[in-house]
Amino acid sequence: GAVVSQHPSWVICKSGTSVKIECRSLDFQATTMFWYRQFPKQSLMLMATSNEGSKATYEQGVEKDKFLINHASLTLSTLTVTSAHPEDSSFYICSAQPETSGNTIYFGEGSWLTVV
Amino acid sequence: RKEVEQDPGPFNVPEGATVAFNCTYSNSASQSFFWYRQDCRKEPKLLMSVYSSGNEDGRFTAQLNRASQYISLLIRDSKLSDSATYLCAVNTYRDNYGQNFVFGPGTRLSVLP
Repeated sequence: GAVVSQHPSWVICKSGTSVKIECRSLDFQATTMFWYRQFPKQSLMLMATSNEGSKATYEQGVEKDKFLINHASLTLSTLTVTSAHPEDSSFYICSAQPETSGNTIYFGEGSWLTVV
Repeated sequence: RKEVEQDPGPFNVPEGATVAFNCTYSNSASQSFFWYRQDCRKEPKLLMSVYSSGNEDGRFTAQLNRASQYISLLIRDSKLSDSATYLCAVNTYRDNYGQNFVFGPGTRLSVLP
């Protein structure tokens, strides 16, 4: 199946610093990528939809200035958590939708963020 | 009401049992439906898409009832390796927001030897 790579898998950062997470579609072009957050024992919560070449669409309650999304090419989207706080510690997962797949999306491996 | 709801679980079943997962969605404009499985501390993996006519893949059968806004997944002859959390996902196109893949809370399955 389609491959989506996410990096880093694990990151620990200090409060107040910023962390960038990359999401790459390795064998297909993706005009749309999605960013999710998942707290322990909870479901995936959509944070934003990233569209190549345009601004991301954020879900209600997600601060766009705190979670910066850039989708500069058809194979790369990045999520930057700015001024991280311990409550931002979570599992962040991206997914990408191939241009030709219809509605199927494929997930990256996820990134575990711990803010200390 | 949550947009996508699932059986709360967990389900603990013996090997070889048949187990059914249920999912309901609230947005009648939803267009596509999927079942994903998620292992502990891993990303979700697509199990199967769900079509109106129903579809089967080996031991797995998925069904969709648009009138009732209901999706189901049946696992026959369950294996130990089926132990995971099963997530129902619904894709809806929203004006000004584009596509929205919404996931249910998931139902945890443990298959016991």
